[in-house]
Amino acid sequence: SQQGEEDPQALSIQEGENATMNCSYKTSINNLQWYRQNSGRGLVHLILIRSNEREKHSGRLRVTLDTSKKSSSLLITASRAADTASYFCATSPDRGSTLGRLYFGRGTQLTVWP
Amino acid sequence: GAGVSQSPSNKVTEKGKDVELRCDPISGHTALYWYRQSLGQGLEFLIYFQGNSAPDKSGLPSDRFSAERTGGSVSTLTIQRTQQEDSAVYLCASSFTPRTDTQYFGPGTRLTVL
Repeated sequence: SQQGEEDPQALSIQEGENATMNCSYKTSINNLQWYRQNSGRGLVHLILIRSNEREKHSGRLRVTLDTSKKSSSLLITASRAADTASYFCATSPDRGSTLGRLYFGRGTQLTVWP
Repeated sequence: GAGVSQSPSNKVTEKGKDVELRCDPISGHTALYWYRQSLGQGLEFLIYFQGNSAPDKSGLPSDRFSAERTGGSVSTLTIQRTQQEDSAVYLCASSFTPRTDTQYFGPGTRLTVL
């Protein structure tokens, strides 16, 4: 399977703490994208990191990518109760028959307690 | 600007009925994707449209599923003779170009087959 796999499946922390979620994948990629989903509905795009990039920041979010290990991590600093959601990584392979199709893992359920 | 929109937001139908789900992508986006998400699962790719090219239907689970994209814009996903296992959230996404760009998702249609 080319799916990304997130780790851990569930994470529970207190407000103010940092949350780290990991993603591993199997094939070479063009890019990797992180999404957030609230209440099982639409996905909100967080960050896209390309295969030639190692780290990206957006506000309280920091994403790293290690293509040699085929892994990525999402760090949320100073977490808030509003960060409670499911987080998915999705990979876009750099070759294959379906251009741009994303391969999703099953997600990490993050709960941030006030 | 306006994001990806989907309608209806919820659909309840009886087993054996046909349903149509609609997706309006972001204006100017050439690539359009349909995914579905069953309870507690990651996203499963269904079908992909790119410009005027023939769609990639490799993810459709059975011949009861079909989709079309008219005029390179609006897309309709049709499920014939619905089954209970078709119950899921159906998500549409679009991107400016495939493979390299962010995919923006709509809010989804929650389909319940009784």
